[in-house]
Amino acid sequence: ETVLTQSPGTLSLSPGEGATLSCRASQRISSSYLAWYQQKPGQAPRLLIYGASSRATGIPDRFSGSGSGTDFTLTISRLEPEDFAVYYCQQYGTSPPYTFGQGTKLEIK
Amino acid sequence: EVQLVQSGAEVKKPGESLRISCKGSGYSFTSYWIAWVRQMPGKGLECMGIIYPGDSDTRYSPSFQGQVTISADKSISAAYLQWSSLKASDTAMYYCARGLIGDRRGVFDVWGQGTMVTVSS
Repeated sequence: ETVLTQSPGTLSLSPGEGATLSCRASQRISSSYLAWYQQKPGQAPRLLIYGASSRATGIPDRFSGSGSGTDFTLTISRLEPEDFAVYYCQQYGTSPPYTFGQGTKLEIK
Repeated sequence: EVQLVQSGAEVKKPGESLRISCKGSGYSFTSYWIAWVRQMPGKGLECMGIIYPGDSDTRYSPSFQGQVTISADKSISAAYLQWSSLKASDTAMYYCARGLIGDRRGVFDVWGQGTMVTVSS
């Protein structure tokens, strides 16, 4: 089973700043089968990125994903107040287990 | 509007059985995989398994195989997650989610609102 490790655990930034979130896999993820989700308190997760770099429908272009192999990054170019949340990376193939990282909490500084 | 609507919160005792539901609307329910995702209090996300309502093909994550049963009734566009004997450690929020088409079935683009299951004596 592929283990995903996200860093940092908590990121404290101010609105307007840029954010870089990391996700490292314990083994190579084929075909860039890596997704990113955002979760706000009391809400279901929301798909942001899939295929490592493809934005989901309706996601602002300040969100971008990159990476391949074992190292992936979610970048938020200019933080808006509504971007402060927990972010999860997830690897997926044709069958489960579809593992998630432990999450990065993005909080207002 | 594409949506998944889940059944309401449940409070159960250890050893009891339970089935929670997820009803899809606004799309062809039989053409997309449905996943169940667990989130224990204050913790992260865990995919329990997926089902294809079109033919009920079901795949479980190893950690959940034998612990729960995932099923679907395509005639009413519903998917289910079932326990035969609940444990206190099953206390969690459970989400259903729709997978994308093809080899992106593990990408979840539409989520239900979640069903909170509390197991306590």
